Amino acid sequence: DTGVSQNPRHKITKRGQNVTFRCDPISEHNRLYWYRQTLGQGPEFLTYFQNEAQLEKSRLLSDRFSAERPKGSFSTLEIQRTEQGDSAMYLCASSPGQVPNTEAFFGQGTRLTVV
Amino acid sequence: GESVGLHLPTLSVQEGDNSIINCAYSNSASDYFIWYKQESGKGPQFIIDIRSNMDKRQGQRVTVLLNKTVKHLSLQIAATQPGDSAVYFCAERPNRDDKIIFGKGTRLHILP
Repeated sequence: DTGVSQNPRHKITKRGQNVTFRCDPISEHNRLYWYRQTLGQGPEFLTYFQNEAQLEKSRLLSDRFSAERPKGSFSTLEIQRTEQGDSAMYLCASSPGQVPNTEAFFGQGTRLTVV
Repeated sequence: GESVGLHLPTLSVQEGDNSIINCAYSNSASDYFIWYKQESGKGPQFIIDIRSNMDKRQGQRVTVLLNKTVKHLSLQIAATQPGDSAVYFCAERPNRDDKIIFGKGTRLHILP
């Protein structure tokens, strides 16, 4: 499978615990995006990378959230001291980085449940 | 906040009929408008985009119309099939920015 891969697919954690999600983009895609999606809503932009550089972080991303893409390939999204409001689907997407950058390829997401 | 939204949360269409999904936007500065489709249990999938200096673009069985006067975007699906059942999101790419901003979505039901 050469699509975007996200792990784990599901994560249940207790409030206050830290969690980390991994995203493996399509090979040679230099743009990588993280979104969060709650039931019945569209994906909300969180952050994105051009290779290893983090270009933008949404105001939605509190200081409990951190994302990295250390070698410009896979990325991790960490949430510290999870809260029930963090329960959502976390989606990763990648794109080749060529204008107009409107076509992003999404993974199936990691569903986080904070209990 | 979001500048892209949709008029209806749910649309039911008879199989074989044409579907029209509408969207209103408020950010006139966006240079691209986009439609994505999301099937149950999957991530969104790109369908088609349109640049802000165009008013119509056609793809395979889909047509996107952009009316800048009233800030309205629509997606037309010809001869709707069961496989078209999904949630459809309109989205935009703000000018000189590379993130995609999504609206709330319309669920398309196909009636047999």
